[in-house]
Amino acid sequence: QVQLQESGPGLVKPSQTLSLTCTVSGASISSGDYYWSWIRQPPGKGLEWIGYIYYSGSTYSNPSLKSRVTISVDTSKNQFSLKLSSVTAADTAVYYCARDAVATSNIDPWGQGTLVTVSS
Amino acid sequence: SSELTQPPSVSVSPGQTASITCSGDKLGVKYVCWYQQKPGQSPVLVIYQNAKRPSGIPERFSGSSSGNTATLTISGTQTMDEADYYCQAWDSSTARVFGTGTKVTVL
Repeated sequence: QVQLQESGPGLVKPSQTLSLTCTVSGASISSGDYYWSWIRQPPGKGLEWIGYIYYSGSTYSNPSLKSRVTISVDTSKNQFSLKLSSVTAADTAVYYCARDAVATSNIDPWGQGTLVTVSS
Repeated sequence: SSELTQPPSVSVSPGQTASITCSGDKLGVKYVCWYQQKPGQSPVLVIYQNAKRPSGIPERFSGSSSGNTATLTISGTQTMDEADYYCQAWDSSTARVFGTGTKVTVL
């Protein structure tokens, strides 16, 4: 059974960089059949796709966030990470990591999510 | 286009059929999937590749897609189906795009 778990600070100050890590268990992050995605959801709002990474290190990010997003992968630890720079209160959200099928574009499973609040 | 539009809310009586639409440019030629999200929980995939159900998803959930619209249908809706539902598809500019979300109320 594939499981994903997000970890990182729950509080980030404005203008600083948000950093999260996703640990994958039950599957190898080096599988060529999947991307590894980050998605966020502001409180009471809908889902926003942030970006994904392939095990080779190639990435693709939402153009609306691209200038601030860095996604990296550590295959030796079966982890991938998100960095979002220059955060503001608008970046306050539950951040999810998830497995993303290359061939069919569906995202499954999702991690439990972690709330990151941007506040001084 | 990078927008998928859903109705904000759908109400259905127990045992009846709920239909949720998702509209977007050329959606009929893209793979569409649907997620169910209950309060305080992570989204769960209920339909992928327009009409396929993952293991463990009840048969009352079905999907279809044609033209610019995809539809999630819940037949014989149960109170446990009350949740937010999101469509999602591949997009040429954003790679992945989610719908605006629909709150399904069973009453």
